Amino acid sequence: GQNIDQPTEMTATEGAIVQINCTYQTSGFNGLFWYQQHAGEAPTFLSYNVLDGLEEKGRFSSFLSRSKGYSYLLLKELQMKDSASYLCAVRDSNYQLIWGAGTKLIIKP
Amino acid sequence: GAVVSQHPSWVICKSGTSVKIECRSLDFQATTMFWYRQFPKQSLMLMATSNEGSKATYEQGVEKDKFLINHASLTLSTLTVTSAHPEDSSFYICSATSGTGGNSPLHFGNGTRLTVT
Repeated sequence: GQNIDQPTEMTATEGAIVQINCTYQTSGFNGLFWYQQHAGEAPTFLSYNVLDGLEEKGRFSSFLSRSKGYSYLLLKELQMKDSASYLCAVRDSNYQLIWGAGTKLIIKP
Repeated sequence: GAVVSQHPSWVICKSGTSVKIECRSLDFQATTMFWYRQFPKQSLMLMATSNEGSKATYEQGVEKDKFLINHASLTLSTLTVTSAHPEDSSFYICSATSGTGGNSPLHFGNGTRLTVT
């Protein structure tokens, strides 16, 4: 079966750096997405990786290793507003999106 | 760019009534729209995929006669929850993409919180 694993919850301190990991096992691979979702709101697109390596976008970076079925989202200079759930999603060979359960990130002052 | 508008944001209805939710892509043509359902503290559950001008493809376990989806144009899809019951209370989110390519991200509407009393 297809599976995406990410930690359920993480806690970090304002101003620090946090890395949220995502491992996947899917039938084929056509890209990996990271989304941010604040409580009670819809997800918003953060990043897309299809080739191995690091994609940087401001305070957020996303890394992909296709051979390891692994990705991480790196958040720098954490702000209180970064408290949210972070969803990892993989597009499989049929271009279907497989969603992880999300990682709830709690930022403490 | 890539704005998806979903309406209404929240709705309360009585058991047995029907509710229609609209999803519009405002600045792009959405070849494909997706309808998700999300229970508290859980991830997104895909309900159905709709392509403009064709019948929606429903995920296993989703009743197509209960959740009617219409995708009449490249900018509008609707989800109608028919004969709603309290167990249908949930957060419904639509999303749209302009292409099928791997790098086409989903753009989400703001979601509709449905409460059936």
